[in-house]
Amino acid sequence: GDSVTQMEGPVTLSEEAFLTINCTYTATGYPSLFWYVQYPGEGLQLLLKATKADDKGSNKGFEATYRKETTSFHLEKGSVQVSDSAVYFCALGGSQGNLIFGKGTKLSVKP
Amino acid sequence: NAGVTQTPKFQVLKTGQSMTLQCAQDMNHNSMYWYRQDPGMGLRLIYYSASEGTTDKGEVPNGYNVSRLNKREFSLRLESAAPSQTSVYFCASSGGLAVQETQYFGPGTRLLVL
Repeated sequence: GDSVTQMEGPVTLSEEAFLTINCTYTATGYPSLFWYVQYPGEGLQLLLKATKADDKGSNKGFEATYRKETTSFHLEKGSVQVSDSAVYFCALGGSQGNLIFGKGTKLSVKP
Repeated sequence: NAGVTQTPKFQVLKTGQSMTLQCAQDMNHNSMYWYRQDPGMGLRLIYYSASEGTTDKGEVPNGYNVSRLNKREFSLRLESAAPSQTSVYFCASSGGLAVQETQYFGPGTRLLVL
């Protein structure tokens, strides 16, 4: 069945460092891909999404490109801030209309 | 707009007790979902409702029931709580079931079953 694998954390970076969180997927067809973010004590919020191959989603300085050939959707940010500390989830749109999530990657950014 | 709201925020139950988690959305969305979040597991779908009047099982439906009361409200019921149901429960909604639809999440209900 469909699945998402993302790099395990936690990831600890210094402010202004470059961030990459790897995400790969297995799916039949051409799913939409998403990154959601969960700040401490809150629900999940959509960070960005891409609906077809070679699409690039971007928001708040974060970017991810839908790579069909490598079945990947890696999240990147050029310069992280303390306020980016959160748990990041990669997800794909499942056939039931649900989201299939990776296990999440906790990011901590130190000043 | 409040978006997706959930009540209660936190609940402690004893094994065998029952309770209902409430969810409401004010975005006029057709589809609603219940997920549970466990450490190291991501979120897993319990039940979903494609539209008012329909409900379907997700990945982990055992021990739960749902009711789509109207277009706005979707409740999750635990008839006889078990410690394995200790988790954080999230309700979400979307415009429809299309795979590109964005889901909007509530703040979650933290449930502890002793």
